[in-house]
Amino acid sequence: DAKTTQPNSMESNEEEPVHLPCNHSTISGTDYIHWYRQLPSQGPEYVIHGLTSNVNNRMASLAIAEDRKSSTLILHRATLRDAAVYYCILRDVVKNSGGSNYKLTFGKGTLLTVNP
Amino acid sequence: GAVVSQHPSRVICKSGTSVKIECRSLDFQATTMFWYRQFPKQSLMLMATSNEGSKATYEQGVEKDKFLINHASLTLSTLTVTSAHPEDSSFYICSAKWSYNEQFFGPGTRLTVL
Repeated sequence: DAKTTQPNSMESNEEEPVHLPCNHSTISGTDYIHWYRQLPSQGPEYVIHGLTSNVNNRMASLAIAEDRKSSTLILHRATLRDAAVYYCILRDVVKNSGGSNYKLTFGKGTLLTVNP
Repeated sequence: GAVVSQHPSRVICKSGTSVKIECRSLDFQATTMFWYRQFPKQSLMLMATSNEGSKATYEQGVEKDKFLINHASLTLSTLTVTSAHPEDSSFYICSAKWSYNEQFFGPGTRLTVL
């Protein structure tokens, strides 16, 4: 499985932008880059995903390097509710009895602390 | 985003008993559901993938006879932990998706085996 590397933890101040890095040097041409986040004692929440181009949605922006070996999740104005573990995941296609599918392999993620 | 529910949210049981956890997709039909396990301060570990109407595909090291998965309809999957022991105590999370779209996760079920 293609793997990702993220810092264990990062700290930010409320209302400031946050840039969460992710390295994925072994990414293949068909791997999508996904970001999920998990608040304590909750299931993960989808944040954003992309393939080659930068992506924006209401939660965040995803900046993907031209060689696709790294990406950055950008929270434009951090709030206290953004404090969570952020996972950068490469979507891995597998074939099983139900046809082609994909699975998400979670790493350790980055624990984001937001200071008031 | 789409909504996935789990029931119960937490369960405490005695060692040797079986526990069933339900996962429902509330506003979409899930062609595929996944079951994960998360131990304290660790990441999510995929246990199995199930397609509606097919047998589940288990990850290496996950005992299929101990963790029974049923995905009988497009909105419901169940995970039964048979003969549970204290080492099975964990946070169990399901996710669901349709076609090749995003996975949406449930809120998780905290299992404690005494």
